[in-house]
Amino acid sequence: GNSVTQMEGPVTLSEEAFLTINCTYTATGYPSLFWYVQYPGEGLQLLLKATKADDKGSNKGFEATYRKETTSFHLEKGSVQVSDSAVYFCALSDPRFNKFYFGSGTKLNVKP
Amino acid sequence: EAGVAQSPRYKIIEKRQSVAFWCNPISGHATLYWYQQILGQGPKLLIQFQNNGVVDDSQLPKDRFSAERLKGVDSTLKIQPAKLEDSAVYLCASSLGGTVKGAEAFFGQGTRLTVV
Repeated sequence: GNSVTQMEGPVTLSEEAFLTINCTYTATGYPSLFWYVQYPGEGLQLLLKATKADDKGSNKGFEATYRKETTSFHLEKGSVQVSDSAVYFCALSDPRFNKFYFGSGTKLNVKP
Repeated sequence: EAGVAQSPRYKIIEKRQSVAFWCNPISGHATLYWYQQILGQGPKLLIQFQNNGVVDDSQLPKDRFSAERLKGVDSTLKIQPAKLEDSAVYLCASSLGGTVKGAEAFFGQGTRLTVV
C-alpha cells in the first residue's frame, strides 16, 4: 500500500541554521511526491513537488530530491528564518486514483 | 485564480447537534476531497469525489457523516449527531483529477469545529 513516514517534531532551530526534515515513503506504482506547509489557522499550501526519480523540487530556498533507491524525499533549507516556523507535511499522490497520502507533520520552530 | 472556498471558518456546537460545512472548489477541478485534521496530526481523508461520483468513502463514519457534491461542483459535509471526538479542522481540497501526473491538491482554509 501507500504510506508516508516523516520525522517527529517539534524541531527547534536558531535563525540561519540548516534544516533537514526526513521523509520516507512506501508506494505501489510511480507516485509524485510533495511537501506542503501549514501556517497557524490556515489550510495546507504546496511548498514543492517532484514527479519522478532524481527530480529536485525547490521553492523559497527549500529543496527536496526524489530518491527512489532510498524511497525518500527529505526537505532541506540552508538558512531558516523565523517566518519559516510552521508545520510541514510530506505527501505522495497515487496517480492511478488521484489520491493523496500525508505524513503526520513536523512542527518547525525557528528562534531569532 | 480564486482558491478553494470554505465556510464557515469556525463552528461551536453541542454534542448530538448537527452541523454542515460547505466547499466551493477551484473552477474546473474534477476531484474534490474532504479531510479531517485532528490537532497535531496529518489530514485524514474522509471522502473523495470525482465530478459528482464518490471514489472513496472508506473512512467516512457513515452512521453520522454524509457528503454530497451536487452537479459536480460545490460540496457539503454534514455531521449528525456530532460527538466530542469530531472536534477537528475539516479541510476541503480540489485537484484537476484525471491522470495528470504531479497534479497538486489545493486546500481551503478549513473549518474548525468544536463540539462541547
